[in-house]
Amino acid sequence: QKEVEQNSGPLSVPEGAIASLNCTYSDRVSQSFFWYRQYSGKSPELIMSIYSNGDKEDGRFTAQLNKASQYVSLLIRDSQPSDSATYLCAVVTSGTYKYIFGTGTRLKVLA
Amino acid sequence: NAGVTQTPKFQVLKTGQSMTLQCAQDMNHNSMYWYRQDPGMGLRLIYYSASEGTTDKGEVPNGYNVSRLNKREFSLRLESAAPSQTSVYFCASSNRVGEGEAFFGQGTRLTVV
Repeated sequence: QKEVEQNSGPLSVPEGAIASLNCTYSDRVSQSFFWYRQYSGKSPELIMSIYSNGDKEDGRFTAQLNKASQYVSLLIRDSQPSDSATYLCAVVTSGTYKYIFGTGTRLKVLA
Repeated sequence: NAGVTQTPKFQVLKTGQSMTLQCAQDMNHNSMYWYRQDPGMGLRLIYYSASEGTTDKGEVPNGYNVSRLNKREFSLRLESAAPSQTSVYFCASSNRVGEGEAFFGQGTRLTVV
């Protein structure tokens, strides 16, 4: 079992809709959680970080963390065609400090 | 401010050849990482260095070695390249051990024939 799991997609949503991306992780003592966006042929870039249970909002993006369920999600409101990319969930495990990524979810926003 | 710089950007190797991928960061970051990315596999951690003077295995370390030369530089060596090592390699760094954004280099596209 991979330490960080994501649905590979593609997830297709119409322009203006809410895109919901999900991620589960296996290490219960994980301490830091991140969402990265990667355009084709480019390097990943950080969208959001979240460290404690609950919601964290930044513009059109909201990250949600539930440590009891070992689940982290990313909501993208008012999705735009420019949001079409692969979204990578990353988790840092406490103690070992491994920075582990999921396989990524490909998002397509249809104009 | 260059951030994270990887060299080379492209490389073609023959099976059995060796090479070293270079990575340098100018952000005074403590932690550095090497990943490989294959289609549908996301980013897989090869080796990492949580701080200067330490290195540890990641998810897929077989066939690779690393050296944390100093705080700025972290190299990845393939001693005897195999076609299975054909991939895009990314180096990354982060400031605080165990937290904080990871900044990525532009990647190295390696083909082993």
